Amino acid sequence: DAGVIQSPRHEVTEMGQEVTLRCKPISGHNSLFWYRQTMMRGLELLIYFNNNVPIDDSGMPEDRFSAKMPNASFSTLKIQPSEPRDSAVYFCASSSGTSNQPQHFGDGTRLSIL
Amino acid sequence: SQQGEEDPQALSIQEGENATMNCSYKTSINNLQWYRQNSGRGLVHLILIRSNEREKHSGRLRVTLDTSKKSSSLLITASRAADTASYFCARPLTSYDKVIFGPGTSLSVIP
Repeated sequence: DAGVIQSPRHEVTEMGQEVTLRCKPISGHNSLFWYRQTMMRGLELLIYFNNNVPIDDSGMPEDRFSAKMPNASFSTLKIQPSEPRDSAVYFCASSSGTSNQPQHFGDGTRLSIL
Repeated sequence: SQQGEEDPQALSIQEGENATMNCSYKTSINNLQWYRQNSGRGLVHLILIRSNEREKHSGRLRVTLDTSKKSSSLLITASRAADTASYFCARPLTSYDKVIFGPGTSLSVIP
């Protein structure tokens, strides 16, 4: 079975540019999560969706960040404009929708903003 | 903090030894999960233990949960170099599906 697929795996761009990260969750999973991981702050939940609806976006750091889930098989996380402090590894995870179910993570997008 | 907190932050052992990592939390939970992260990869789910369980095994992994002390431990027996990774505990908040991860324990197993 295909796992969670994220693209791109690496992104290097200059500050001020728009960055779009993509995620394809596991088929049949109805919860999707976006995380950011840095050495300083560890793994932070940015936003999560249930049945394509954003449930909690309290972790989104600023209005420069936005996330969408137009259908059950695709989600995007967008940063516009990007800043050097946004440099991190961004993970997408999906689960089958209850708090007693494990989350399945993609391998992340390593983002570097110059 | 509502996070689970792991300790130690880092652990270095020889291959064949056992590794024990601990996780503490502050509020009541209905389950606690452990994950592993290899360098450059995403997290992988290892074990979920429910609040009414005291111990759970999976291969060389043993997880215990003490709800009275609000703590859990992950024991890896007969460690191998391939066990080198970061290990995280995570617990769901009362809100639907939201899971909070601790800062992790970095385990190095020396061949």
